[in-house]
Amino acid sequence: GAGVSQSPSNKVTEKGKDVELRCDPISGHTALYWYRQSLGQGLEFLIYFQGNSAPDKSGLPSDRFSAERTGESVSTLTIQRTQQEDSAVYLCASSVGSGGELFFGEGSRLTVL
Amino acid sequence: GENVEQHPSTLSVQEGDSAVIKCTYSDSASNYFPWYKQELGKRPQLIIDIRSNVGEKKDQRIAVTLNKTAKHFSLHITETQPEDSAVYFCAVPLSGSARQLTFGSGTQLTVLP
Repeated sequence: GAGVSQSPSNKVTEKGKDVELRCDPISGHTALYWYRQSLGQGLEFLIYFQGNSAPDKSGLPSDRFSAERTGESVSTLTIQRTQQEDSAVYLCASSVGSGGELFFGEGSRLTVL
Repeated sequence: GENVEQHPSTLSVQEGDSAVIKCTYSDSASNYFPWYKQELGKRPQLIIDIRSNVGEKKDQRIAVTLNKTAKHFSLHITETQPEDSAVYFCAVPLSGSARQLTFGSGTQLTVLP
């Protein structure tokens, strides 16, 4: 596709349920990022994938959060046993390489009831 | 890790006036300084960036200035228009080999008609 695609765009779930968010980066982009944006807040770094290198997971807030990426394509962010404080917009971005322009998706808005 | 401070958090200006947003960073090895604009309900998008080998870069009504000695860089918007109203984020690459971006806390700019 022409841009970064994320799904679902909106997800409402009950506390304690698991959720999976998907990101399709721009073809050829080796770097992929996940950020979290709470209402009216900044961009909180979660995880970073660069090619076949080990991902930088230093931003994941707890062990309930995990992410995978298949080669240089699709990535999934999984949140287990969701809590109300997980409610936020989860933004995915990709770039040609590290240190270049980030192209963001529209985000997945997660609401945990 | 990299520490990025952004000021002010909110800024209101009259249409036609100038707006200045400043970011300071801690890692003297940082060499790439982008600014992103996020309109309400939309994804962040790159509006201008600067590399460390220059002190200023202009693109029509927006400019970025860099002071590497003092470790700060600023976004300047001249002749502001209502469509400039948005949240603006600075970003700096984290230290280390990965160089992924860490973002400032954002500035809500409101241009009053």
